[in-house]
Amino acid sequence: AQSVTQLDSHVSVSEGTPVLLRCNYSSSYSPSLFWYVQHPNKGLQLLLKYTSAATLVKGINGFEAEFKKSETSFHLTKPSAHMSDAAEYFCVVSEALYNFNKFYFGSGTKLNVKP
Amino acid sequence: GAVVSQHPSRVICKSGTSVKIECRSLDFQATTMFWYRQFPKQSLMLMATSNEGSKATYEQGVEKDKFLINHASLTLSTLTVTSAHPEDSSFYICSATSLAGETQYFGPGTRLLVL
Repeated sequence: AQSVTQLDSHVSVSEGTPVLLRCNYSSSYSPSLFWYVQHPNKGLQLLLKYTSAATLVKGINGFEAEFKKSETSFHLTKPSAHMSDAAEYFCVVSEALYNFNKFYFGSGTKLNVKP
Repeated sequence: GAVVSQHPSRVICKSGTSVKIECRSLDFQATTMFWYRQFPKQSLMLMATSNEGSKATYEQGVEKDKFLINHASLTLSTLTVTSAHPEDSSFYICSATSLAGETQYFGPGTRLLVL
């Protein structure tokens, strides 16, 4: 079975400092992993995805994530936080079923960016 | 990127009435659509998966007679909350994926308030 653990429910950083949002997964086989961002009262936007190619994945808005199989982790990072990065972030692992992929969501991490 | 719309964005209804929510893929054919429910400050919970032209598959604990899902075309799925009650108040989010697609594209969500 697939599952995702987001270790921090809230993360607070100052503008211009690095961001680290942690995610650990459990999967019975090589997973596909995603990070989505949700701004208040908005839909989820795909930040990046890992699908068994390069282990360091670059996404939009300067975010990137590294797949580490030995640590079963897929942490999201950004070198320098911007005020507009304040949002809820979800780590997702997908399970391939017969003709679609089922998503398992982490509990989410709320990122607060201080001026 | 792929665009998914939902209508309405917000709806208020009286207890006992039914509410229909539409989910459309605007620029791709969505062979599979998903319906999620998100309670305040919580993660997304998958309610059901629907494939075009076939019956939806509901997650455990989701009442199929209460949450009617129709996926009649490759660009439209509808969720009807029948005989809505205040406990059905929530944020309902749809997503869509193309055939064998790994990525789900999410709609902006519909906020339902049942009085």
